Amino acid sequence: QKEVEQNSGPLSVPEGAIASLNCTYSDRGSQSFFWYRQYSGKSPELIMSIYSNGDKEDGRFTAQLNKASQYVSLLIRDSQPSDSATYLCAVPQGGATNKLIFGTGTLLAVQP
Amino acid sequence: ETGVTQSPTHLIKTRGQQVTLRCSSQSGHNTVSWYQQALGQGPQFIFQYYREEENGRGNFPPRFSGLQFPNYSSELNVNALELDDSALYLCASNRIGDRVYNEQFFGPGTRLTVL
Repeated sequence: QKEVEQNSGPLSVPEGAIASLNCTYSDRGSQSFFWYRQYSGKSPELIMSIYSNGDKEDGRFTAQLNKASQYVSLLIRDSQPSDSATYLCAVPQGGATNKLIFGTGTLLAVQP
Repeated sequence: ETGVTQSPTHLIKTRGQQVTLRCSSQSGHNTVSWYQQALGQGPQFIFQYYREEENGRGNFPPRFSGLQFPNYSSELNVNALELDDSALYLCASNRIGDRVYNEQFFGPGTRLTVL
């Protein structure tokens, strides 16, 4: 089992719809979880961090964490064409190294 | 913009050569991590530097080495380049000791092509 798993997509949604991106992780001791957005040819940009079970909202983005199920998701409401990018889920491996383990990313395409 | 800078932006080398990539961390950050991102993959952790010492290493051979300087900037050196080293090299900085753990901010990356 991979340490961090994501569906590679592409996930295609119409403009204005809700995009739902999912991520599972294997390390039950993980305490923090991150979502990065990466446009083609660019570097990853941190868009959400979540540390506690439940939902965390920031503008059109909502991160959801369920530690019991080892599952973290990102919802994007009112999706815009500018949201079209690859979304990377990242989980620290643990210990003092702050080593981030990334999934392979989900490509989101928002159709105008 | 995160405040993390990297140079150069692009680089073309031939197999067997050596390369040095540079990174300046975001103001207030004391830790630099390096990642390699191959096409279609997520970033892979190479190593991290904290207080000018290596603070963890991923599954990369010893020909990948690094340095951190007193101003927290860092270098990644790769010797004996191989074709598979072609990738986007990312530098990320954060501050160990911050309450918000492990939030790492990436620079723009260096695209390395090995011919």
